[in-house]
Amino acid sequence: EIVLTQSPGTLSLSPGERATLSCRASQSVSSSYLAWYQQKPGQAPRLLIYGASSRATGIPDRFSGSGSGTDFTLTISRLEPEDFAVYYCQQYGSSPLAFGQGTRLEIK
Amino acid sequence: QVQLQESGPGLVKPSQTLSLTCTVSGGSISSGSYYWSWIRQPAGKGLEWIGRIYTSGSTNYNPSLKSRVTISVDTSKNQFSLKLSSVTAADTAVYYCARRPVGRTGMDVWGQGTTVTVSS
Repeated sequence: EIVLTQSPGTLSLSPGERATLSCRASQSVSSSYLAWYQQKPGQAPRLLIYGASSRATGIPDRFSGSGSGTDFTLTISRLEPEDFAVYYCQQYGSSPLAFGQGTRLEIK
Repeated sequence: QVQLQESGPGLVKPSQTLSLTCTVSGGSISSGSYYWSWIRQPAGKGLEWIGRIYTSGSTNYNPSLKSRVTISVDTSKNQFSLKLSSVTAADTAVYYCARRPVGRTGMDVWGQGTTVTVSS
């Protein structure tokens, strides 16, 4: 069973800054089946990145994903006001699927 | 486009069985190759994957819940369902259904979520 650990727990930044979020897996994620989701209050999660580095349909190119094996990163190049939310990583390469505990991105 | 909608009782008594349904609209649940999952989120906490059913009907469950969970599909109604038995207050959460196409794509379509409270 793969456990995902996200860091930091909370990230305080200003609009226009660059955000770097980390997700570390307890064992290698099969075929880089690693996704990132954004969740705003009262809403369902939204798929941002899949396969570690592919943007989902309609996701702006300021969002990018990288990594393989056990270490993955979500980067938001220039923060827009609507980007402040909670971000989750998820591995879906093996059962049971698992989510990280989330990183809260808040306005500084 | 495909949309998912959860439905079911918002209040369940302790020790009873929680039953939720996810209705798929805008497409057939049995066409294509998809995993149909249930995920839950207690208030103020993170996401927990409960389990999934494949288009063929095969299932996988979270080991932490496996003894209490059943996920099934009703293709005639274009729905899949979740049953969670012997509930306690710890099962109080927002429950989401979601779709993941087979392959590298993640969970690309989610329902809006439904809140279930376990209380007497």
